[in-house]
Amino acid sequence: GDSVTQMEGPVTLSEEAFLTINCTYTATGYPSLFWYVQYPGEGLQLLLKATKADDKGSNKGFEATYRKETTSFHLEKGSVQVSDSAVYFCALSPRSGFQKLVFGTGTRLLVSP
Amino acid sequence: GAGVSQSPSNKVTEKGKDVELRCDPISGHTALYWYRQSLGQGLEFLIYFQGNSAPDKSGLPSDRFSAERTGGSVSTLTIQRTQQEDSAVYLCASRPGGGGANEQFFGPGTRLTVL
Repeated sequence: GDSVTQMEGPVTLSEEAFLTINCTYTATGYPSLFWYVQYPGEGLQLLLKATKADDKGSNKGFEATYRKETTSFHLEKGSVQVSDSAVYFCALSPRSGFQKLVFGTGTRLLVSP
Repeated sequence: GAGVSQSPSNKVTEKGKDVELRCDPISGHTALYWYRQSLGQGLEFLIYFQGNSAPDKSGLPSDRFSAERTGGSVSTLTIQRTQQEDSAVYLCASRPGGGGANEQFFGPGTRLTVL
């Protein structure tokens, strides 16, 4: 079945450091790909998405590129802030059927001043 | 406009009791999902409703779990004879029906603790 694998956390960085959180997937066909973020005490929020190969999703300085050849959707940010501290979830959704989201296990990011 | 709302935000119950969790989706969203977020299992799909179609219950972990959606809007997830392993955060999400990139909008969740 479909699955998502993302790097274990926590990821600990200093403010203004470069961030990469790796995400790879296994799916039939060409799913849509998403990054969701969960800030402390809050619900899941969509951070960015990409729907086809080579698409780049971006939001709030975060980017991720849909790489079909490596089945990856790595999350990057050039300069993290303390306010970026959260748990980040990579997810996929099949294009057909009822399109449930399949999530990775989440990666906690801790940014210190 | 208003987002997805869930109630209660926290629920503590004793093992063996029944609980009901409520979800109010975004107005006009025809698709509704329930997920469960637990320490051991991560985020897992439970059930899906689309309009007036029969729900997809393929993610429900046991027959103690059931859900309904009345009038194509509000949904209730019921857990009967709760067990300690049911302790988790139960998340509801909705999205507009039809095609598109399936962006789902999540509620804040209900944290269930079974003692």
